[in-house]
Amino acid sequence: SAVISQKPSRDICQRGTSLTIQCQVDSQVTMMFWYRQQPGQSLTLIATANQGSEATYESGFVIDKFPISRPNLTFSTLTVSNMSPEDSSIYLCSVEVALRQGAGELFFGEGSRLTVL
Amino acid sequence: GNSVTQMEGPVTLSEEAFLTINCTYTATGYPSLFWYVQYPGEGLQLLLKATKADDKGSNKGFEATYRKETTSFHLEKGSVQVSDSAVYFCALNFGNEKLTFGTGTRLTIIP
Repeated sequence: SAVISQKPSRDICQRGTSLTIQCQVDSQVTMMFWYRQQPGQSLTLIATANQGSEATYESGFVIDKFPISRPNLTFSTLTVSNMSPEDSSIYLCSVEVALRQGAGELFFGEGSRLTVL
Repeated sequence: GNSVTQMEGPVTLSEEAFLTINCTYTATGYPSLFWYVQYPGEGLQLLLKATKADDKGSNKGFEATYRKETTSFHLEKGSVQVSDSAVYFCALNFGNEKLTFGTGTRLTIIP
């Protein structure tokens, strides 16, 4: 298993500002993922962050808006840049832990709830 | 593309009631199917899963059977408890590809 800590757990931000969310894992993991959960919507994958390489972004998400760092195997950050009210969401960090059978299991942090005014 | 449709909430039940949360999927092929649960103030955690047709996943009294003929993976529990109050997400994926989630169903159990 994996224990994931996210900071901040919630924040209220002003339009046009940027906020960085931190994700700390209690073990070394290869793949880390950032999800967004907009109000009343399902979870949407923003990007996959692998240590030592550029993050891979899903369709509709770009690095300029959501820059990601992955400096080591236990830590990652997601920045939400130049925020607008449409960015109000819960942002979740997730990691994949390999199981003996080869398939991985995803573990999630508790999420960071951002409200943009 | 792949998609998951699950019962809209919120769902409110009395303690010891029978629970069903419907989940159907659209996919090309036979994905793995999952139910995740998010308790208040916590991150999502895997509740159960099934990787092939007719498999039954079970955990904490919850069950779900992979029904290929109806492309469904309904979540059931015979007698719910207040501690089952949470948001439940149905999801699917193929191999190591990303998960596709449903919109979540908020369940509230009243004593």
